[in-house]
Amino acid sequence: DSGVTQTPKHLITATGQRVTLRCSPRSGDLSVYWYQQSLDQGLQFLIQYYNGEERAKGNILERFSAQQFPDLHSELNLSSLELGDSALYFCASSVVQRGGTDTQYFGPGTRLTVL
Amino acid sequence: AQSVAQPEDQVNVAEGNPLTVKCTYSVSGNPYLFWYVQYPNRGLQFLLKYITGDNLVKGSYGFEAEFNKSQTSFHLKKPSALVSDSALYFCAVRDPLTGGGNKLTFGTGTQLKVEL
Repeated sequence: DSGVTQTPKHLITATGQRVTLRCSPRSGDLSVYWYQQSLDQGLQFLIQYYNGEERAKGNILERFSAQQFPDLHSELNLSSLELGDSALYFCASSVVQRGGTDTQYFGPGTRLTVL
Repeated sequence: AQSVAQPEDQVNVAEGNPLTVKCTYSVSGNPYLFWYVQYPNRGLQFLLKYITGDNLVKGSYGFEAEFNKSQTSFHLKKPSALVSDSALYFCAVRDPLTGGGNKLTFGTGTQLKVEL
């Protein structure tokens, strides 16, 4: 158990809908990362937050948004869902260290199925 | 831009034999390199990382990896494989010269199958 929790574990929804994925980082970790794992794209970085502020953006669609709250938990919002958004969404957290040498610890993921 | 290649989709090895899972990388500067393992229906578990120093890095569950700068490689190794090592292994890289964040770039993964 990495200490990173994600809810829900599974989510089944229809095209055009909106969902929210939730992540609680390990105790003491200020940085949260979101990754998407799909069969065709592999593991891709979406976005990073550090202490409530957006730190870096990757291949995140405009239909997707995220935020990190004062208690450091994070939510990933996916809207206008398409079939191709079906994937495993991982959250990771880390204690950001000088020089970026920190290790990211991953949660169990949320499996999203869009029908 | 940083990138990682895992040239083998699958590696098969007999239990008790040594195993190697290959990884090569491309970054602008000196890389930070990581190995993660994913068991079915589970998240990624951290195995080990190379930041600087000794080229041979030891990690969890008896795994180790060797950093080779001239060959831009970071192969994962274990002297004696176990059936329970069967899983999907990911190599990842972070380029410390890339500003604005600590994102990891992952390879496509290598499925390791250890057979009796």
